[in-house]
Amino acid sequence: DLQMTQSPSAMSASVGDRVTVTCRASQAINNYLAWFQQRPGEVPKRLIYAASSLQSGVPSRFSGSGSGTEFTLTISSLQPEDFATYYCLQYYSDPWTFGQGTKVEI
Amino acid sequence: QVQLQASGPGVVKPSETLSLTCTVSSGSINSYYWSWIRQPAGKGLEWIGRIYSSGSTNSNPSLKSRVAMSVDTSKNQFSLKLRSVTAADTAVYYCARSSVGSTSSFDFWGQGTLVTVSS
Repeated sequence: DLQMTQSPSAMSASVGDRVTVTCRASQAINNYLAWFQQRPGEVPKRLIYAASSLQSGVPSRFSGSGSGTEFTLTISSLQPEDFATYYCLQYYSDPWTFGQGTKVEI
Repeated sequence: QVQLQASGPGVVKPSETLSLTCTVSSGSINSYYWSWIRQPAGKGLEWIGRIYSSGSTNSNPSLKSRVAMSVDTSKNQFSLKLRSVTAADTAVYYCARSSVGSTSSFDFWGQGTLVTVSS
């Protein structure tokens, strides 16, 4: 299976901070990478697809970049509602696999 | 916009079969892929498998021997059966939609249903 490794697993940040989460694939996945946000008790919500395309309705402070094996989710100015767990997903090959998650805490 | 609603028993006995149904509303089930994803409490997300509206399926090799999926386009529903469950199958089960190509992945999700395996 294609492995997705996220870093860090958890991080502390403050409102207004620039936050970067990295996801590395065990082999090249072109741009078949999505990012999801999951607040406690809520359903995962897609933020980014095709590595860098912003999901409709998602604030522009979220952005994604990368291709091949290394990808980044950036939140340009962290807001209170952004404290959550973030997951990457590769959908290049079966079985589709998620990263282990990055918890962004205050 | 498309809405998904997963339903099924909240408790399943060990060694029995977990059965869930996802109902799609405000959109057609045709021409999309429909997946099941699960999340044990406090843990990450695991893709279980997907079914196309035609009935073709793909599933995670880690579960493949125990998974069966079906689709009923007349009811806009698709279903999951997971056989021989153990406590390790206790999780919130989500249904979700995807399409094909690089713009795919899971754009719409159901609210999730908690399934507990317990005698």
